[in-house]
Amino acid sequence: QKEVEQNSGPLSVPEGAIASLNCTYSDRGSQSFFWYRQYSGKSPELIMSIYSNGDKEDGRFTAQLNKASQYVSLLIRDSQPSDSATYLCALINTGTASKLTFGTGTRLQVTL
Amino acid sequence: GAVVSQHPSWVICKSGTSVKIECRSLDFQATTMFWYRQFPKQSLMLMATSNEGSKATYEQGVEKDKFLINHASLTLSTLTVTSAHPEDSSFYICSARGGGGVTEAFFGQGTRLTVV
Repeated sequence: QKEVEQNSGPLSVPEGAIASLNCTYSDRGSQSFFWYRQYSGKSPELIMSIYSNGDKEDGRFTAQLNKASQYVSLLIRDSQPSDSATYLCALINTGTASKLTFGTGTRLQVTL
Repeated sequence: GAVVSQHPSWVICKSGTSVKIECRSLDFQATTMFWYRQFPKQSLMLMATSNEGSKATYEQGVEKDKFLINHASLTLSTLTVTSAHPEDSSFYICSARGGGGVTEAFFGQGTRLTVV
């Protein structure tokens, strides 16, 4: 089982819709969770961090964390074509010297 | 978010030569820096973790004598690819994290290395 699992996609949503990106993880002791956005040919950009169960909202983005079920999700409201990118879920495992462990990413396509 | 600057953005070098890539944290002190490599359409692969003033910790399978990492100050880390070969051609990305319990890590712009 991979430490961090994401559906590779592509996930296609129409402009203006809500995009829902999901991530599951195996290490129950994981404490810190992150969503990064990576455009093709560019480096990842931090979008959200979440540490506690529940929702965290920042503009059009909402991160959701459920430690009991070991999943973290990212909702993008009012999706725009500029949101088309690969979204990487990452976390810090316990006992890994604070290294980030990344999922393979979900490619999002927002269509006109 | 914090700013991490990486240079050069791209470099072409001849096989057998060495290339140095710099990673600087511009507005915070980076106690930890990470170096990644990414091949086309693949995920990030962590190469090594470096803490200021100490030797880097390399991931399994990464040759420490080939990929030299120096983290001499709280704002600068360098990666030197020695005796580069065409198979070393890749996208190299650094990321930096501050101290004091901060867990968020910020990425540099990346360096696209092409070895000919």
